[in-house]
Amino acid sequence: EAGVTQSPTHLIKTRGQQATLRCSPISGHTSVYWYQQALGLGLQFLLWYDEGEERNRGNFPPRFSGRQFPNYSSELNVNALELEDSALYLCASSLASWSGYTFGSGTRLTVV
Amino acid sequence: GQQVMQIPQYQHVQEGEDFTTYCNSSTTLSNIQWYKQRPGGHPVFLIQLVKSGEVKKQKRLTFQFGEAKKNSSLHITATQTTDVGTYFCAGPGGGTSYGKLTFGQGTILTVHP
Repeated sequence: EAGVTQSPTHLIKTRGQQATLRCSPISGHTSVYWYQQALGLGLQFLLWYDEGEERNRGNFPPRFSGRQFPNYSSELNVNALELEDSALYLCASSLASWSGYTFGSGTRLTVV
Repeated sequence: GQQVMQIPQYQHVQEGEDFTTYCNSSTTLSNIQWYKQRPGGHPVFLIQLVKSGEVKKQKRLTFQFGEAKKNSSLHITATQTTDVGTYFCAGPGGGTSYGKLTFGQGTILTVHP
C-alpha cells in the first residue's frame, strides 16, 4: 500500500512569489492535514480538509490556503512568500480525525 | 486554546541507559498519541492511548496515559542508538480546535554509544 506522497521534495522560491505544494493521501483516507515545521520548532497545524471541505485552520494568515480534490488529494498554496515561511511542510492523512496520522516525507520550502 | 507541553526538551543518554519524556495537556484529552521523528525524517505514528490509566508496551517502549487523561509519558528501557530522534506527544482538540492534533514541542533524544 502506498503511503502519503508529497511533491516536490524541495522547493526554492523568491520572496513575494507563490508556492504550491501537493499531497496524495493513503487510499481510503478522506482527511488530509497540513503542518508547518520550522527549523528547531515543533509541528504547527495549518489546515484540515475532509470530503473536499476545509474543516479547520490554524493561526496562519490568509495567504496560506489550499484545497482538496474529489480524489482526496490536496494542495497547499502559499502566496506572497516571506523569508519566515521557510520550513518543512508536512502533509498527513488519517481514517478519522481521532485516529493516528500517517505523514508524508514533506516538502522543504526555502524562501530566498 | 489547548496547549500540550513536553519535558525535557533535550535528553542525552549513554547507550543502555533508560529515557523518559513527559507530556502534559491543558485540557482533558479523549486520547493521546505518540510519534517519533528521526533526524531528517518525518513523524511516524507510534501508538494511541485512549483509556484513563492505560499502559501499553512496544518492546522496550512503555507508554502511559494518566488517570485524569491530561498527562502521558513514554519510557524507553536500555536505549539503543536506533532510538535517536525527536519524540512528540499529540492530543486532539475540541471545540474550535476540533479535528486538529496539537503536538507538544518534542523531546530530542541523543544516544551516545
